[in-house]
Amino acid sequence: AQSVTQLDSQVPVFEEAPVELRCNYSSSVSVYLFWYVQYPNQGLQLLLKYLSGSTLVKGINGFEAEFNKSQTSFHLRKPSVHISDTAEYFCAVSGKGAQKLVFGQGTRLTINP
Amino acid sequence: EAQVTQNPRYLITVTGKKLTVTCSQNMNHEYMSWYRQDPGLGLRQIYYSMNVEVTDKGDVPEGYKVSRKEKRNFPLILESPSPNQTSLYFCASSLSPGTRAGEKLFFGSGTQLSVL
Repeated sequence: AQSVTQLDSQVPVFEEAPVELRCNYSSSVSVYLFWYVQYPNQGLQLLLKYLSGSTLVKGINGFEAEFNKSQTSFHLRKPSVHISDTAEYFCAVSGKGAQKLVFGQGTRLTINP
Repeated sequence: EAQVTQNPRYLITVTGKKLTVTCSQNMNHEYMSWYRQDPGLGLRQIYYSMNVEVTDKGDVPEGYKVSRKEKRNFPLILESPSPNQTSLYFCASSLSPGTRAGEKLFFGSGTQLSVL
């Protein structure tokens, strides 16, 4: 079985500052990893995903994430945030061959001017 | 425009009154799934469907039913709603074979259900 822990429920940052949202997972099998974003009053949309290959994955809106197998982490980063990045961010894991996507608890990113 | 459409957007009902939340996608996706979102718990899968007439339980199926008679539609049925089913519900779809191959999920805008 897979599980995901997002270490911060809320992250406040100032506009144009860098941000890192942390995600750790546990799994007994190889995994696929995802970050989804939920803007206010909307459904979730995919930011980026790691399937295989390069451990640094680039996504939309300037976000990137790094897969670290030894630390079982998939932290999300952005070098300079904007007000429009205010949203809730979900890390998710799917075991290869498993028909289930397991989500973390979510991290609410708030950007202050 | 490719989309997943859920209706209604908001629903207030009373305990025990049967209700259906509809979900439709126009992308010809085989895989569809229902999730509920609760504060501090993230999203939890209720049911999923690999194709027409093929459905299976997720992590929290108790109190819910689904059907998949057509590829585009995947309604969620609450036969006798209870207050602990008050939640934000999302329908999602993807290409086959779904999340086991790392496919991206497309989400609807959500249905906020309150059971009094």
